Amino acid sequence: DAKTTQPTSMDCAEGRAANLPCNHSTISGNEYVYWYRQIHSQGPQYIIHGLKNNETNEMASLIITEDRKSSTLILPHATLRDTAVYYCIVRVIDFNKFYFGSGTKLNVKP
Amino acid sequence: DVKVTQSSRYLVKRTGEKVFLECVQDMDHENMFWYRQDPGLGLRLIYFSYDVKMKEKGDIPEGYSVSREKKERFSLILESASTNQTSMYLCASSLSGFQETQYFGPGTRLLVL
Repeated sequence: DAKTTQPTSMDCAEGRAANLPCNHSTISGNEYVYWYRQIHSQGPQYIIHGLKNNETNEMASLIITEDRKSSTLILPHATLRDTAVYYCIVRVIDFNKFYFGSGTKLNVKP
Repeated sequence: DVKVTQSSRYLVKRTGEKVFLECVQDMDHENMFWYRQDPGLGLRLIYFSYDVKMKEKGDIPEGYSVSREKKERFSLILESASTNQTSMYLCASSLSGFQETQYFGPGTRLLVL
């Protein structure tokens, strides 16, 4: 039921920006895009979410294309502690359900 | 900061045992959720609760029950543990209403022998 497509894995050099893409071509007008990450053996950690406009918080920036069919999560200065699986999620009409999919394994290298 | 805590990080139980997993949140959230996470299957919703003493079945409620006697506490019960319930169990909470962000606890890794 996952409505998103993400690359399986990505590498990023420490200190550089990490740009994680996500395709959600069937997104509906009232569905938000959420990003979570999960560090090995821990619970998912909320990062950011958005509907139409780009969003920024202390952790990351979220860039959503004008047609809303794709988005990019940007970690501006990746550190080794950012190594995790990153999940892009589209909230379906049933508010209580998160379809996490397989995510992108981000490897931040020194 | 939202804090969701779970009673155990690791648990080993025997087949047929009754297992209690507890979750506590300190942000006065209305909604609480129990998921299990298995490789290749992502997160699957077991049960959720949108108020004290209220519960709703998720996608895979069989073999589980829940209890929400207080707003901050949501318990998952495995009535008779089986080996196919070996998994990572994740609790989450959110404010009331639709489209609210869910905040997750650290997870409990349960092994049923």
